[in-house]
Amino acid sequence: KAGVTQTPRYLIKTRGQQVTLSCSPISGHRSVSWYQQTPGQGLQFLFEYFSETQRNKGNFPGRFSGRQFSNSRSEMNVSTLELGDSALYLCASSSFLGSSETQYFGPGTRLLVL
Amino acid sequence: AQSVTQLGSHVSVSEGALVLLRCNYSSSVPPYLFWYVQYPNQGLQLLLKYTSAATLVKGINGFEAEFKKSETSFHLTKPSAHMSDAAEYFCAVSGGSGNTGKLIFGQGTTLQVKP
Repeated sequence: KAGVTQTPRYLIKTRGQQVTLSCSPISGHRSVSWYQQTPGQGLQFLFEYFSETQRNKGNFPGRFSGRQFSNSRSEMNVSTLELGDSALYLCASSSFLGSSETQYFGPGTRLLVL
Repeated sequence: AQSVTQLGSHVSVSEGALVLLRCNYSSSVPPYLFWYVQYPNQGLQLLLKYTSAATLVKGINGFEAEFKKSETSFHLTKPSAHMSDAAEYFCAVSGGSGNTGKLIFGQGTTLQVKP
């Protein structure tokens, strides 16, 4: 099976712009989660989706949003970009929603905000 | 609330030496624990996970971890380090309230392997 894919892999934006990142989960997986990775804050949970519904949300401002489509693909959007949004954004998929489920990660999208 | 602490942001070992990466967790519910590895410019790869079936968990690439409830620890070990083991390692916990897959990660430990 193909792994989790994320597009684009690299992105450069300027402050104030918005950005949309895409994630295609492993075939058959129905749950998708997003994480932000920065040198200072480490890996932080953004949100998770299952069956097109957001099931859980991390402690991020409302500028961060996401959605999941009927084919389980997911997108996340960041509006009004700030310098501090520069990070590696990781998507992970799992078969179902649950604490014991293994999450498989994609290669990430590296976002640089200038 | 759940949390994970990884002791030592940097660990350096010689090739062929024992690898020990430390992880302590805090959880009010029975935890599910994971170790992931991240190579430069890549995502996270699962090494192993603990789901209460056995306290000693064997993973890929010769790694294993032992769950010790009394010490709230889940340390990662490998008997003999290889140069290809150089990477960043993350311990994570899930199992908070509600049916969620949310992972809480430690700050990571960078493993350096010297020839």
